[in-house]
Amino acid sequence: NAGVTQTPKFRVLKTGQSMTLLCAQDMNHEYMYWYRQDPGMGLRLIHYSVGEGTTAKGEVPDGYNVSRLKKQNFLLGLESAAPSQTSVYFCASSGTGRVYGYTFGSGTRLTVV
Amino acid sequence: AQTVTQSQPEMSVQEAETVTLSCTYDTSENNYYLFWYKQPPSRQMILVIRQEAYKQQNATENRFSVNFQKAAKSFSLKISDSQLGDTAMYFCAFSFSGGYNKLIFGAGTRLAVHP
Repeated sequence: NAGVTQTPKFRVLKTGQSMTLLCAQDMNHEYMYWYRQDPGMGLRLIHYSVGEGTTAKGEVPDGYNVSRLKKQNFLLGLESAAPSQTSVYFCASSGTGRVYGYTFGSGTRLTVV
Repeated sequence: AQTVTQSQPEMSVQEAETVTLSCTYDTSENNYYLFWYKQPPSRQMILVIRQEAYKQQNATENRFSVNFQKAAKSFSLKISDSQLGDTAMYFCAFSFSGGYNKLIFGAGTRLAVHP
């Protein structure tokens, strides 16, 4: 099925370890986003991209880096994981023009111990 | 800054009954979009309904409808004939009509539908 694919779905990291979350979309969407979801706080924007080779900071960017070398992929990196980064991470994409809402991936549950 | 507020952390309803989830938002913009997303236990985010601010008519999608009050900055979701499969977290979200379509989410309302 067409859509947004996130890998991995679950991961446990030790404090200080690094990892990369991969997001891939096959809808030729220009815009891609990374959100984190924490209890009682909804979804908060970490970083976003408006096109290949571009990235921008969202609401909670500290401790994360992103790259969009190809239009269909948007990577989220944690260089030195901290327990505060324990969360569920969602990738989403959207097209330009009229706002129809996002297509979301299925999420990655990350636990930092 | 734009904010979205969902004042009901949890709600419950009996199967086949009607329930209304509240959402208020704050913006100085005149053109924007409002959304309700459903997140069942599977964690998948599912778009329920969408409203364009310039449209006065309230959006409806089968059993789901909204009461959009632009002057009051209110956007409530009504679920009619509630079903067990409606049990989920519901998020209200706001987006500008221009720019990069960033969605701003409320904290969510957890809805439980009981038999």
